Amino acid sequence: KAGVTQTPRYLIKTRGQQVTLSCSPISGHRSVSWYQQTPGQGLQFLFEYFSETQRNKGNFPGRFSGRQFSNSRSEMNVSTLELGDSALYLCASSLDIVNTEAFFGQGTRLTVV
Amino acid sequence: AQSVTQLDSQVPVFEEAPVELRCNYSSSVSVYLFWYVQYPNQGLQLLLKYLSGSTLVESINGFEAEFNKSQTSFHLRKPSVHISDTAEYFCAVSDIRNTPLVFGKGTRLSVIA
Repeated sequence: KAGVTQTPRYLIKTRGQQVTLSCSPISGHRSVSWYQQTPGQGLQFLFEYFSETQRNKGNFPGRFSGRQFSNSRSEMNVSTLELGDSALYLCASSLDIVNTEAFFGQGTRLTVV
Repeated sequence: AQSVTQLDSQVPVFEEAPVELRCNYSSSVSVYLFWYVQYPNQGLQLLLKYLSGSTLVESINGFEAEFNKSQTSFHLRKPSVHISDTAEYFCAVSDIRNTPLVFGKGTRLSVIA
């Protein structure tokens, strides 16, 4: 079966713009989590959605937001982009809220110039 | 709050030599432990996990890890590495409250021919 699909794979944006990233989880999975990966900070948790409800949120400013649709697909949005938002954004899907096995997508590489 | 410490940021090792990647965690409740591997420009792939039961867990490609509750460790070992094992390895922890995954900073394993 198909894995976690993230689109686009690469993105270049200018400071001040906004961006929307998409994640399609594995079929049947209802939980989607987002992580930001940077060389300096490593992997940091952004938020988690389950059945269209945000279940957990990491320590990121309000410029970072997300949502989940009824088909479990998820989007995350970053407004007023800053240079420091340049990162690999990873989406993970799980069958349910129990974090016993999370499957990651290949990520979206965002570069802010 | 949980935390994960990967003691070595880089580990160079010759091909066919054994390797150990160290991971220590901190948590006030029972934990789930994971090792993920990341190849360049890729997402994370689950290598192995400890949920409960036997403290020694194995992957299909020869890696193993042992959960040691008294030492709060989950070190990853392989008796004989291959060039193809060159990658970054991340230790992660969740817990029985189904908190989001918390990752270590990663260990870059470089296998030298």
